[in-house]
Parts: sequence; structure tokens; C-alpha cells
Amino acid sequence: QLQLQESGPGLVKPSETLSLTCSVSGDSIRNSRYYWGWIRQPPGKGLEWIGSIYYSGNTYYNPSLKSRVTMSVDTPKNQFSLKLSSVTAADTAVYYCARLVDDSSGDYYFDIWGQGTLVTVSS
Amino acid sequence: SYEVTQSPSVSVSPGQTARITCSGDALPKQYTYWYQQKPGQAPVLVIYKDNERPSGIPERFSGSSSGTTATLTISGVQAEDEADYYCQSAENSGTYGGVFGGGTKLTVL
Repeated sequence: QLQLQESGPGLVKPSETLSLTCSVSGDSIRNSRYYWGWIRQPPGKGLEWIGSIYYSGNTYYNPSLKSRVTMSVDTPKNQFSLKLSSVTAADTAVYYCARLVDDSSGDYYFDIWGQGTLVTVSS
Repeated sequence: SYEVTQSPSVSVSPGQTARITCSGDALPKQYTYWYQQKPGQAPVLVIYKDNERPSGIPERFSGSSSGTTATLTISGVQAEDEADYYCQSAENSGTYGGVFGGGTKLTVL
């Protein structure tokens, strides 16, 4: 049974870089059927896709965040990571990692989600 | 940037039918996916490819799409269905994430 678990600091100072890791268990991150993604949700607000990565390292980012986002994958550890630079209070959110699956038409959707981790940006 | 739009809230009594809509200019050519999110929990996929139901999702959940509007229908609503529902789609294929609607709060009276 696939499980995803986010980890990283719960508090980040303004202007610094937010760093999170998602550990995947129950399947290989190298499975060619899947992409792996990050989504965030500010308190009391809706969901926002941040970016997605393939095991080969190919990345796709939300254009609104692209200048600040870097995603990477560590296949030996079965993990993938998110870095968001120059954070402000507006980046305070619950951050989810998730698996994306191809619906066979070229579109992808999130079928398995981690439990999420709250990251607060504050001095 | 591309957006999909949901109405903020829907209220129904137990046993009634709830309909939650999602509008977007690209929906005639792009699939819509629906997620249920209960307080303090991660979202759960309830509908994919407009009208497919993942295993384990009750049959009372169904989806449809016509023109620029996709609809999530919950027949015979139960108290446990009270949650936020989000649609997800994309302007073009190969986006690997796309956009989420703002969410619809379903209240079971």
C-alpha cells in the first residue's frame, strides 16, 4: 500500500528558503507510470498546485511560482523534495506531496496524497 | 492564467441530491477530477476523467461534463458527505498538475 510522508521544518523565516522532503513507501519512485507532485493549502483557503517531477528529473512548475521553486528526486532514498525560495507570510500553508497518475489521455491527476505538513513563515 | 470556478457553498438535507459545479473554458476538451476534503484531512480523489469512480468510493458519487461545466453529483447525501469539494483540470494536456477550483463547501442540514 502506497504511503507518502512529508517532512521538514515547521517554521521558516521570511526571505529564507523552505525545504521539504516526501518519502515514498510501498512503491518505487522509479515507476514509469507516475509523476510526483507538491500542492499547498493556506489556512482556510483552497488548493494550489506547486509543481511535479518525474523520476528522471523532468520538472513542471506552476507558472506563478516557477521563479522560486526547485524540485528534485533522490531515487536511492525513494524521496523527492521541494525548495521554495524567498518566502513571505503568504507562503504559510499546509504542504502536501502526492502521486500523479496518467489517465491514459495525457492528463494527470493526484490519486494518493500525504497527510500534509504545516509550514509557517514568521520571524 | 487559466482558472476553473466553483460556487462557494451548497446545502442539502440528508437523502437529497447535491450538485456541485465547476466551470472553465477548456472543459470541453479537458477532463475534470474531483476531490473531497474533510476538516484536518488530506484531499481524497472521488471522481476522475469526468465520470470515473475510484475503487472504494461509494456509488452515490457520480460525475458528468457538458460544455464548459463539469458537475459532481452526490445522490442520497449522508451526513458523512459534509466536506469541501475541489475540482481540478488544466488548460492543455501535459500540464502535470493544472489548476484547482476554489472549492465548494457542502453542508448537510
